[in-house]
Amino acid sequence: ETGVTQTPRHLVMGMTNKKSLKCEQHLGHNAMYWYKQSAKKPLELMFVYSLEERVENNSVPSRFSPECPNSSHLFLHLHTLQPEDSALYLCASSQRHIALSNSPLHFGNGTRLTVT
Amino acid sequence: KNEVEQSPQNLTAQEGEFITINCSYSVGISALHWLQQHPGGGIVSLFMLSSGKKKHGRLIATINIQEKHSSLHITAPHPRDSAVYICAVRGRGSTLGRLYFGRGTQLTVWP
Repeated sequence: ETGVTQTPRHLVMGMTNKKSLKCEQHLGHNAMYWYKQSAKKPLELMFVYSLEERVENNSVPSRFSPECPNSSHLFLHLHTLQPEDSALYLCASSQRHIALSNSPLHFGNGTRLTVT
Repeated sequence: KNEVEQSPQNLTAQEGEFITINCSYSVGISALHWLQQHPGGGIVSLFMLSSGKKKHGRLIATINIQEKHSSLHITAPHPRDSAVYICAVRGRGSTLGRLYFGRGTQLTVWP
């Protein structure tokens, strides 16, 4: 149990569907992150929220839309995805934004997304 | 070319056989992390180090800042150690706070 919970664990969706990934952290952390992990590639940072404000958006296509309603919850809304978006999407949190401190990241178990 | 390179990409070992995973990086860093990712996908942090050596049970991590190189050793690995091991570095200076990840090393330990 890492203190970061992601749902669902697996998701299969068509290119015209709209779905959302959910992340919840019970660690009292102030920063939350979305990462994409594709096969044989390094983790790619997608979005960073610090104190509920988006502080980083790494040139992610607009078909991915993040939402952070409070410091414990983070969503990734998906619409009109492409097959190449199939990947493992990992949520992480840290006490403070890693740009400001060496706070370790705590990862969830990820959502395995398949776009058909 | 990725800022963090790991070798080998895949590693198979017999239970009890000493193994080493290597990580080289090309940017200035403030810290280096070794992470473990289990087949289910979850990632846990094993070590964070900025100099010298750290030991936790059967795992040992070393770093040589001058050579921009780190190694993760597992003494007497067990099948439950089978996982992907990921090296990540935290940049400093103009890249302060940015994390660069390696592609990971898939370790399989046979009984």
